[in-house]
Amino acid sequence: AQSVAQPEDQVNVAEGNPLTVKCTYSVSGNPYLFWYVQYPNRGLQFLLKYITGDNLVKGSYGFEAEFNKSQTSFHLKKPSALVSDSALYFCAVRGRNAGNMLTFGGGTRLMVKP
Amino acid sequence: GAVVSQHPSRVICKSGTSVKIECRSLDFQATTMFWYRQFPKQSLMLMATSNEGSKATYEQGVEKDKFLINHASLTLSTLTVTSAHPEDSSFYICSARDALGAYNEQFFGPGTRLTVL
Repeated sequence: AQSVAQPEDQVNVAEGNPLTVKCTYSVSGNPYLFWYVQYPNRGLQFLLKYITGDNLVKGSYGFEAEFNKSQTSFHLKKPSALVSDSALYFCAVRGRNAGNMLTFGGGTRLMVKP
Repeated sequence: GAVVSQHPSRVICKSGTSVKIECRSLDFQATTMFWYRQFPKQSLMLMATSNEGSKATYEQGVEKDKFLINHASLTLSTLTVTSAHPEDSSFYICSARDALGAYNEQFFGPGTRLTVL
């Protein structure tokens, strides 16, 4: 069975500082990995994905994530946080078989303070 | 990019009534759609998977007679909450898988906030 762990319920960071939101996964075979952001009372917005190729993936709004196969991690990063980045972030994994489902982590709330 | 819409975005109903939520893929065909439920400050919980033209597959613990899912076309799936009760109040999110996409990627709707009085 596949699973995703986001070990931090909340991450606090000052505006302008770098941020990291952690994600580790477990899946059979090579994964597809995703990050989504959710603002209050809104659906999920796609940030970025890892499919294949370069381990460093760049996404929307200046976010990036690094796929680390040996550590089975896909941490989300941004060099300089904005107050508007404050939201709920979800990491998700899917196996490469066509029928595999997307499995979500529990979510991490990012709070960026001015 | 691929867009998924949901209607309504917010609904308030009385206990005992039924509510229908529509999920549409606007610019791609979705042979598979997914319905999730999200409680406050929690992650998404998969309720069911619907395939166009066939019966939905429900996750364990989800009452199929209460949450009726219909996927009648390649662009539309509906979730009907029957005889709604206050404990059904939640945020419901649908997702559609692009069958012709390179990686069978899922795209998410904006969600529907259901409040049962």
